[in-house]
Amino acid sequence: GEQVEQLPSSLIVQEGASVLINCSYTDSASVYFPWYKQEPGKRLQFIIDIRSNMERKQTQRLTLLFDKKTKHLSLHITATQPGDSAIYFCSASPSLGKLQFGTGTQVVVTP
Amino acid sequence: GALVYQYPRRTICKSGTSMRMECQAVGFQATSVAWYRQSPQKTFELIALSTVNSAIKYEQNFTQEKFPISHPNLSFSSMTVLNAYLEDRGLYLCGARDQGLGERLFFGHGTKLSVL
Repeated sequence: GEQVEQLPSSLIVQEGASVLINCSYTDSASVYFPWYKQEPGKRLQFIIDIRSNMERKQTQRLTLLFDKKTKHLSLHITATQPGDSAIYFCSASPSLGKLQFGTGTQVVVTP
Repeated sequence: GALVYQYPRRTICKSGTSMRMECQAVGFQATSVAWYRQSPQKTFELIALSTVNSAIKYEQNFTQEKFPISHPNLSFSSMTVLNAYLEDRGLYLCGARDQGLGERLFFGHGTKLSVL
């Protein structure tokens, strides 16, 4: 089945700096890739997604790049704020309604 | 907006007993509901995918006999953990999708299960 890996597993950045999270998947059948943010005590929050017919998507401080050939995604967060501290999950959808989550990246933004 | 509520938020049960958790979709129609378990190490396991008017599909290592799921309408789903043991501990998350809104899954806060 689909397997999703993320790197790094954790990182610490100073407020204002940028963050890059890498994600890779294995199943060519996956065509939809949403990313979620998890903060303690809060809902798993959708932040951005991309479909396999796109190479890039940008919303505010988030840029998501997708390379179908290498089965690789990367999420770039710019101008980080303390509120960006969370665990970020990449996911791949091998079939409708089903997500395979990555291993997560713990991001800590220090003031 | 589309929101998912899960009840209870936290629960503790004695080893060998069962507990039921609920998932409520508000502001959209939960055409399909995916139940996940997140381990203390934060990794996710998909337990089953339920689509209204279709059979519930369980993933390998998860069975209906252990995790019976009900999805009677477009706003509600429940799952029971039968005969819970230590290895069943974790955060159980419900992710619901409205086929009219695309592929996005909306998640609740989860039900944190502790087993004594």
